[in-house]
Amino acid sequence: QKEVEQDPGPLSVPEGAIVSLNCTYSNSAFQYFMWYRQYSRKGPELLMYTYSSGNKEDGRFTAQVDKSSKYISLFIRDSQPSDSATYLCAMRNDYKLSFGAGTTVTVRA
Amino acid sequence: DAGITQSPRHKVTETGTPVTLRCHQTENHRYMYWYRQDPGHGLRLIHYSYGVKDTDKGEVSDGYSVSRSKTEDFLLTLESATSSQTSVYFCAISAKGQGEGTGELFFGEGSRLTVL
Repeated sequence: QKEVEQDPGPLSVPEGAIVSLNCTYSNSAFQYFMWYRQYSRKGPELLMYTYSSGNKEDGRFTAQVDKSSKYISLFIRDSQPSDSATYLCAMRNDYKLSFGAGTTVTVRA
Repeated sequence: DAGITQSPRHKVTETGTPVTLRCHQTENHRYMYWYRQDPGHGLRLIHYSYGVKDTDKGEVSDGYSVSRSKTEDFLLTLESATSSQTSVYFCAISAKGQGEGTGELFFGEGSRLTVL
């Protein structure tokens, strides 16, 4: 069983829709939770960073962490074609970083 | 964009040949990493470095070796390439280790390796 599970999709939504992405994990020692965005043929870049449980909002992006359920989410409001990318969740404790497999999202104009 | 250059960006080679991928950074970051990315597996750490001549293994290090003789360069070597090493390889850098601060990684654009 993988330490971090992420549905690979693909996910296709119309422009303006809300995109909902999520990951589950098994290691209760994870304390830091991140979302990376990866455009086609590019390297990943950090999108959101959250410590412990709770919500964090940054513009159209909201990250949620529920440590009791070992479940994290990323919501994209008013999605745009420029949001089309692969989104990777990542999480770590003090010494180990683990990535999900990534979910590919296409926003149709 | 973080100053990270990977070379070559694309390479096709045959089974049994040696291959070296190079990562060059201009950010003077202490930590450098090599990951491979495969469908269904996400990013998996091969090796990392925490300083010049200081390296350690990641979760998928078998068949790979690394060297770091200068702060700015981190080399990944496949001594005898196999088809299972066909993948996209990403170099990443960070100013702090994974136990410090956000541990944010900055990635290069990747090197696509095909082993026939």
